[in-house]
Amino acid sequence: EADIYQTPRYLVIGTGKKITLECSQTMGHDKMYWYQQDPGMELHLIHYSYGVNSTEKGDLSSESTVSRIRTEHFPLTLESARPSHTSQYLCASSDPHSTDPDTEAFFGQGTRLTVV
Amino acid sequence: LAKTTQPISMDSYEGQEVNITCSHNNIATNDYITWYQQFPSQGPRFIIQGYKTKVTNEVASLFIPADRKSSTLSLPRVSLSDTAVYYCLVGAAGNKLTFGGGTRVLVKP
Repeated sequence: EADIYQTPRYLVIGTGKKITLECSQTMGHDKMYWYQQDPGMELHLIHYSYGVNSTEKGDLSSESTVSRIRTEHFPLTLESARPSHTSQYLCASSDPHSTDPDTEAFFGQGTRLTVV
Repeated sequence: LAKTTQPISMDSYEGQEVNITCSHNNIATNDYITWYQQFPSQGPRFIIQGYKTKVTNEVASLFIPADRKSSTLSLPRVSLSDTAVYYCLVGAAGNKLTFGGGTRVLVKP
């Protein structure tokens, strides 16, 4: 079983609020990812990290920011939430040090964000 | 990163075999082929991974021809619970994980 956790599962928040979506994994994985996905649509990579103090922007431009101060923790922050940020946010991790290519990623349950 | 192309959707019936083909004409020598399954409101889940020929596990089989420009995910005797979106990814260690549109499989009773 994958040990990657996202909190909260659901969040309804007003426009202009600052929010942080939490993602933690206990597998010691170096690589972590954030994806954004609208219902019925494809997954868009918005941020990823190769390890502590490493963060990169993904394929889809996002107003969110991320940090990676500890291996197990990869929070995503929105400084000022807007209705256009309403979506599902999925966190994942993978292990690049395994003998197989690290394309086996483990996903959290996701955070469904609604900005009103 | 190698671009992948797969059908948008497929319908099947319970007990049938479902085969989803993914094209990846620009696959690189170091690239592996990986398939994920995603149920509604959940994150994707790894199904199977291969480099060449055939790989089989308890869930599916993956067929990769010698030129590696395509691959076929085979789901034997599907059930209603196999209704999901299936993603084909091509990449090597160190690549970022990029998902395409996937194939929406609907299994009917």
